[in-house]
Amino acid sequence: DAGVIQSPRHEVTEMGQEVTLRCKPISGHNSLFWYRQTMMRGLELLIYFNNNVPIDDSGMPEDRFSAKMPNASFSTLKIQPSEPRDSAVYFCASKLGGLPQYFGPGTRLTVL
Amino acid sequence: DQQVKQNSPSLSVQEGRISILNCDYTNSMFDYFLWYKKYPAEGPTFLISISSIKDKNEDGRFTVFLNKSAKHLSLHIVPSQPGDSAVYFCAASGRGGTSGSRLTFGEGTQLTVNP
Repeated sequence: DAGVIQSPRHEVTEMGQEVTLRCKPISGHNSLFWYRQTMMRGLELLIYFNNNVPIDDSGMPEDRFSAKMPNASFSTLKIQPSEPRDSAVYFCASKLGGLPQYFGPGTRLTVL
Repeated sequence: DQQVKQNSPSLSVQEGRISILNCDYTNSMFDYFLWYKKYPAEGPTFLISISSIKDKNEDGRFTVFLNKSAKHLSLHIVPSQPGDSAVYFCAASGRGGTSGSRLTFGEGTQLTVNP
């Protein structure tokens, strides 16, 4: 069984560049979550989707961040323009109904 | 406002002994609690959960206890094994609707089990 797949695993970019993180949820799951983990703020929810529809984006830090889920098997988190303070590990998770969330391996983003 | 708190950043125990990880919460709307385990360079892995209608849930070596009046939960690992060394996160979610999907995480506790 394939778990949640994220790409890339590591991303190093320069300030001002556009960054796109990708996520493939577990097949059949109907909810998808994007989290960010930093030393200062821990693990925080950025946005989540139910049935491909964004439900709660109150955790998205600012307009530079956007997320899409064009279909049930794919989601992107885009940062444009990126800043050094965006450096973090970004996790994607998915779940079905009331079951627990299952996390991907994360993307470590470094913005220089 | 940290609604879920894990006050111990680290815990060290001997192999074979009990590990007790603690978590406190402030939001009385939380009614479902989970523990996740995280190894370096991997995503958090679901371990065990408990609903607010229960005060205990057990799965093999792992038991979660919930004290609603104290807004406190704990994870017991017995016996502890070196492979249990990881960061453990406590998480909570609220009742129904959109809040039923949203998890709020604690800061995590690094458990080290020494051989």
